[in-house]
Amino acid sequence: NAGVTQTPKFQVLKTGQSMTLQCAQDMNHEYMSWYRQDPGMGLRLIHYSVGAGITDQGEVPNGYNVSRSTTEDFPLRLLSAAPSQTSVYFCASSYDQGNGYTFGSGTRLTVV
Amino acid sequence: SQQGEEDPQALSIQEGENATMNCSYKTSINNLQWYRQNSGRGLVHLILIRSNEREKHSGRLRVTLDTSKKSSSLLITASRAADTASYFCATASNSGYSTLTFGKGTMLLVSP
Repeated sequence: NAGVTQTPKFQVLKTGQSMTLQCAQDMNHEYMSWYRQDPGMGLRLIHYSVGAGITDQGEVPNGYNVSRSTTEDFPLRLLSAAPSQTSVYFCASSYDQGNGYTFGSGTRLTVV
Repeated sequence: SQQGEEDPQALSIQEGENATMNCSYKTSINNLQWYRQNSGRGLVHLILIRSNEREKHSGRLRVTLDTSKKSSSLLITASRAADTASYFCATASNSGYSTLTFGKGTMLLVSP
């Protein structure tokens, strides 16, 4: 099925550990974004990409890295996990900014 | 920072009634989009309205946009229990490449 696939769905990390959240889409979308969703805060943009090899920071980039080596994949790396990074992470993609985004089902991350 | 702000934060209605949610934003936009999020799930794109459009329909959804007031409304007619969800507005600015900036959402409860 066409769409955005995020793995894992759930993850528990200890403070200081690193990990990569995976995101893949099969719709040949150029635009991809990572958001985090916290209670009462809506969705906040972490990093985004407008095509392979092009990435930029969003509203809350600190503590996260991204790369975009292919059109399909846009992984999000947590460098040294902190409890403040406990959140639900969503990856989304779009053909361009004039179209709606397709969201993945999310990764629920807990940092203890 | 949030661009869009939804109002009300929560709305409770009976099946068959209409539900209206409002969104205000601060800067000039290319388009405004509405998304639905069921509990524990990813966001689903509902409808996109461009800055040069004033009204758009999709099934039981009606969206209006008033760029002079920087506001939009989402009307769901003849609500069903299955419409119970959180609804978010998101704006794409008209300056260069733009990602979506989300509001904090309206939580809609439709009771049978």
